[in-house]
Amino acid sequence: DAKTTQPTSMDCAEGRAANLPCNHSTISGNEYVYWYRQIHSQGPQYIIHGLKNNETNEMASLIITEDRKSSTLILPHATLRDTAVYYCIVRVSGGNSGYALNFGKGTSLLVTP
Amino acid sequence: EPEVTQTPSHQVTQMGQEVILRCVPISNHLYFYWYRQILGQKVEFLVSFYNNEISEKSEIFDDQFSVERPDGSNFTLKIRSTKLEDSAMYFCASGTGDPALRYFGPGTRLTVL
Repeated sequence: DAKTTQPTSMDCAEGRAANLPCNHSTISGNEYVYWYRQIHSQGPQYIIHGLKNNETNEMASLIITEDRKSSTLILPHATLRDTAVYYCIVRVSGGNSGYALNFGKGTSLLVTP
Repeated sequence: EPEVTQTPSHQVTQMGQEVILRCVPISNHLYFYWYRQILGQKVEFLVSFYNNEISEKSEIFDDQFSVERPDGSNFTLKIRSTKLEDSAMYFCASGTGDPALRYFGPGTRLTVL
């Protein structure tokens, strides 16, 4: 799986958009970008994933640059409950590359009142 | 919304004892996983299980660990002779056709004394 780089921590004011960047400059053509988060002491939670087009769901939006070397997860109106560690993971979507999904250190997002 | 459940939420055991951690995956899911997270550290992949057999395991998953799907609904992780360093949160996860897309349970906190 391609390596990802994320800032260690970020702050965001409640109600504002939280933009979490991820660099994945060695991404290959068949690798997707997945985002998970882990709220304190809970299990990781899937947020969104994409290949090259921007994606949006009820939780977040994912913006992937045209060269696919970086992406941004956007929480449009952050709430205190969005305080969590956010993980950007790049891997092939499919079992042929193995089943392990490896979590790095992620970005610790603190949403403040 | 269906979710992965895990029991117990907290297990305390003496070093050398056997423990069984239990999970009920989401009912139509085909892929099952165990992860662990030592306090303050990353979420680490242990094992994946598909079609009634282990499909992949990490270096952590040595001979003291085993997994089983005894009855078509439960998925268990057995640790045969617990060590102090096995103290961690253990997360079960399940998924469907995309092995990178998985849903985690709330975790079992294992404390080995």
